[in-house]
Amino acid sequence: DTGVSQNPRHKITKRGQNVTFRCDPISEHNRLYWYRQTLGQGPEFLTYFQNEAQLEKSRLLSDRFSAERPKGSFSTLEIQRTEQGDSAMYLCASSLVTGENEKLFFGSGTQLSVL
Amino acid sequence: DAKTTQPNSMESNEEEPVHLPCNHSTISGTDYIHWYRQLPSQGPEYVIHGLTSNVNNRMASLAIAEDRKSSTLILHRATLRDAAVYYCILREGGSGSRLTFGEGTQLTVNP
Repeated sequence: DTGVSQNPRHKITKRGQNVTFRCDPISEHNRLYWYRQTLGQGPEFLTYFQNEAQLEKSRLLSDRFSAERPKGSFSTLEIQRTEQGDSAMYLCASSLVTGENEKLFFGSGTQLSVL
Repeated sequence: DAKTTQPNSMESNEEEPVHLPCNHSTISGTDYIHWYRQLPSQGPEYVIHGLTSNVNNRMASLAIAEDRKSSTLILHRATLRDAAVYYCILREGGSGSRLTFGEGTQLTVNP
């Protein structure tokens, strides 16, 4: 399978705990995005990387959220001191930017439930 | 980000064409029109995009109004597998920094 892979698929945690999600993009894709989606809403942009550089962060991304993409390959999204409002689907997408054409390929997401 | 307006929901019958409208009256000259769809329990999937001219691919057609203030995604023969939320998104320069999703149109396909 050469698609975007996200792990775990589901995560249940208690309020106050830290969680980390992993995203493995399509090989050789240079951009990687993180989005968050709650029920009935469209995905909300969180942050994106061009290779290993984090180029943009949404104001939605509080200090409790941090994302990394070491060596420009896989990426991790960590949420510290989770709150019930963090419960959502966390989606990762990757793309290969060539000129002005960019198609994002999304993974199936990690569903986070904070109890 | 320039905004788009889509109906909340639409219904179609299997094997009939579907026309999904999108209004984007504040579109700028460098904004590309992108369409993605999201099937249940999956991440969004690219469908098609265009700038000024109509576009066709194996999944759908995109018809863009002459003044670019609206567009229509056309599914030529809807199947049950086309039931999804369809998002119309404006993106500066085609490969700008982000896609900004709205709430999209929930398409129901009746057998």
